[in-house]
Amino acid sequence: EAGVVQSPRYKIIEKKQPVAFWCNPISGHNTLYWYRQNLGQGPELLIRYENEEAVDDSQLPKDRFSAERLKGVDSTLKIQPAELGDSAVYLCASSPGQGASDTQYFGPGTRLTVL
Amino acid sequence: AQSVAQPEDQVNVAEGNPLTVKCTYSVSGNPYLFWYVQYPNRGLQFLLKYITGDNLVKGSYGFEAEFNKSQTSFHLKKPSALVSDSALYFCAVRDGGAGSYQLTFGKGTKLSVIP
Repeated sequence: EAGVVQSPRYKIIEKKQPVAFWCNPISGHNTLYWYRQNLGQGPELLIRYENEEAVDDSQLPKDRFSAERLKGVDSTLKIQPAELGDSAVYLCASSPGQGASDTQYFGPGTRLTVL
Repeated sequence: AQSVAQPEDQVNVAEGNPLTVKCTYSVSGNPYLFWYVQYPNRGLQFLLKYITGDNLVKGSYGFEAEFNKSQTSFHLKKPSALVSDSALYFCAVRDGGAGSYQLTFGKGTKLSVIP
């Protein structure tokens, strides 16, 4: 079974530029998560999708971050414009959607560096 | 609110010796507890979880964890450490009683297994 796929793996941009990250979850997983992991910290949830609906985006900085999961499968996370403090690893995870006991499976992440 | 504490930033252990990585948690309802491992430039890899039942949970690669409700702990253990176990380990908690999907991670513990 293929795991969660993310691209690109690395991205270096100048501040104020836009950037987008793409995620393809494990086949059949209804729930998709985007996390941000700062250096030396654990992941922090940005947004959670149930199929195509964003059911928890309370942690997403909506002034510059946006996300979509149009057909309930792939998802894109966008930052526009990027700031220096956005440098981090952005992780996508998916789970079957079976409830609170669900296990989340993570992709390899995208390491963003903002110069 | 839910939280996780990993009191040790780093744990060093000799190859072949038993290892323990500590985790304590705080939730208002029933704790659902998870351990993940992260290798350099990789995403988080699921090791094991406690939802209910036996307090000793067995997971991947010979790891196990013991749930202790009175001490609100969920320490990760392995009887005999391998050099290849060297990685960053994250404990995470979810409040199962609240039916919440919010997974809160600790800051991580770096495990170094010395040959």
